[in-house]
Amino acid sequence: GAVVSQHPSRVICKSGTSVKIECRSLDFQATTMFWYRQFPKQSLMLMATSNEGSKATYEQGVEKDKFLINHASLTLSTLTVTSAHPEDSSFYICSADRALTGNTIYFGEGSWLTVV
Amino acid sequence: GQQLNQSPQSMFIQEGEDVSMNCTSSSIFNTWLWYKQDPGEGPVLLIALYKAGELTSNGRLTAQFGITRKDSFLNISASIPSDVGIYFCAGSTSNTGNQFYFGTGTSLTVIP
Repeated sequence: GAVVSQHPSRVICKSGTSVKIECRSLDFQATTMFWYRQFPKQSLMLMATSNEGSKATYEQGVEKDKFLINHASLTLSTLTVTSAHPEDSSFYICSADRALTGNTIYFGEGSWLTVV
Repeated sequence: GQQLNQSPQSMFIQEGEDVSMNCTSSSIFNTWLWYKQDPGEGPVLLIALYKAGELTSNGRLTAQFGITRKDSFLNISASIPSDVGIYFCAGSTSNTGNQFYFGTGTSLTVIP
């Protein structure tokens, strides 16, 4: 069964508004979660590393003021796309390390964001 | 960020055929993961590899951690229509840091 849950699965918002996506680890604590962005037929591109209790680490080229990440608890990280524009429309996916037997990451179901 | 070289980019095969795909990197990795992604869904973990030379199976899927630690292979035997999807490899240079780099993906189409 799923070990990482993401919500909402689909969201449509108007240009200029903000939208929040949640990522939850189920039945385990995750001090670190990861946010990816994926364009159609392309690979996953890491946007940022979400650290519980501290600031997120952003990859080069990712605007931290536009993609706000909050890792408020050991089971929840949120990504807020602020002042969304149509070019922000994409598939956003989070992941978390369950690390039961080794270095492994599990992904959420993904969230389709459409900005109109 | 770094991306791994994954090949082939796409495959069209007949049902029942075996499939092979691979990932290569210029860096030495400590962990290799293989995922399958269906359209509109998040990637699902298929196999995890933690040691050079390791060969691990998951049903009809078999993956190997290359001896050089710079490559990994995924084989699917006796393909079926539900094997259709995009397969990604992911590698990490850390044992604990969880910083994974992804391959460019292999799109698999199985013709009934």
